[in-house]
Amino acid sequence: ETGVTQSPTHLIKTRGQQVTLRCSSQSGHNTVSWYQQALGQGPQFIFQYYREEENGRGNFPPRFSGLQFPNYSSELNVNALELDDSALYLCASSLATGGYEQYFGPGTRLTVT
Amino acid sequence: GENVEQHPSTLSVQEGDSAVIKCTYSDSASNYFPWYKQELGKRPQLIIDIRSNVGEKKDQRIAVTLNKTAKHFSLHITETQPEDSAVYFCAASESNMRFGAGTRLTVKP
Repeated sequence: ETGVTQSPTHLIKTRGQQVTLRCSSQSGHNTVSWYQQALGQGPQFIFQYYREEENGRGNFPPRFSGLQFPNYSSELNVNALELDDSALYLCASSLATGGYEQYFGPGTRLTVT
Repeated sequence: GENVEQHPSTLSVQEGDSAVIKCTYSDSASNYFPWYKQELGKRPQLIIDIRSNVGEKKDQRIAVTLNKTAKHFSLHITETQPEDSAVYFCAASESNMRFGAGTRLTVKP
């Protein structure tokens, strides 16, 4: 297993609510990427943080936002939840941005009702 | 942005046969191409990767080939075993990583 952890494991929210998901990166890694994985699909890139700055964003609306802290852990915030936001949210950490191996956390399963 | 296409979406082979999964990418700036294996309910696990300055890489029963000119890369698994059954994802990255839609591989004993 990787040293990447995520919390919580599962979460149930109601449409319109807000949610915060957390990720602790592997020791020595300064880059965290977030992905949304709907059932039966590949991970979709949400955004990446490198040394506390956003370093690239996928095709997700502004209600998806994030933070990276000085210890390189990260948060994903989603406002105004919609039913389609139900998915597995994965974070992955790497030594740096670019062509480095990404190591995934176990994910947070979000269900929006 | 980068677009990665993966084929086939499902693949069923007999134990001991070989399996091949193919991916194409659109961004010529992509320089890193990993392959992940995801078992049901688990996180994606990196199984092999290749960089753009290399054409082929092998690790025991698995190998990856890269054709930069054609912008495609492939995963080859030889002597498949039932424990190879999983969903496999290819990805391409220059700065940010984009994944294919996945291939569900079933190895029949």
